[in-house]
Amino acid sequence: TQLLEQSPQFLSIQEGENLTVYCNSSSVFSSLQWYRQEPGEGPVLLVTVVTGGEVKKLKRLTFQFGDARKDSSLHITAAQPGDTGLYLCAGLISNFGNEKLTFGTGTRLTIIP
Amino acid sequence: DAMVIQNPRYQVTQFGKPVTLSCSQTLNHNVMYWYQQKSSQAPKLLFHYYDKDFNNEADTPDNFQSRRPNTSFCFLDIRSPGLGDAAMYLCATSRSQGVHEKLFFGSGTQLSVL
Repeated sequence: TQLLEQSPQFLSIQEGENLTVYCNSSSVFSSLQWYRQEPGEGPVLLVTVVTGGEVKKLKRLTFQFGDARKDSSLHITAAQPGDTGLYLCAGLISNFGNEKLTFGTGTRLTIIP
Repeated sequence: DAMVIQNPRYQVTQFGKPVTLSCSQTLNHNVMYWYQQKSSQAPKLLFHYYDKDFNNEADTPDNFQSRRPNTSFCFLDIRSPGLGDAAMYLCATSRSQGVHEKLFFGSGTQLSVL
């Protein structure tokens, strides 16, 4: 089982602050995705990173894939209450044509107005 | 408009009483997945269909079965639910499989076992 550890598990910060969430594994991934899940809903894809060292920006969110494609980070600038949710990283491993997306342990983010 | 639809949103069943959860999609995607998500945990893949090909995860209990009668519909059958099976069950679809493929999730069915 390829384990994706996310840290921190819980994070509660004031509106306007910056934060970084980490996703780490000992496995190498073909690609890595970040999802946000709100209570009572399914996860929604935010971004996919494929190349080692890749950086993608989505408004105030910056995603980076580690050079070795084993880890990733999500940085949020000037957090807003609408950013509240469960953030999940998910790594894709291809094994002889059988591809499997494994989800990380999740970071529950709360932005306090 | 919802593209992956799960019914019902909430399901209550009794210990040992079979229950079926349903998922439909309007995306005409080839791949359909069932995930189990327990409180404050990450979604865990139970199985998936690539077209009609069924792929079961090695650690998925035999108590969980699935059917995909056509492209649009997929069902999760729990033959004898136990208290530990109470969870959110998420259905997802993707057009194919690959590094750029995006999963589209339904809103989930929250299952309670009494």
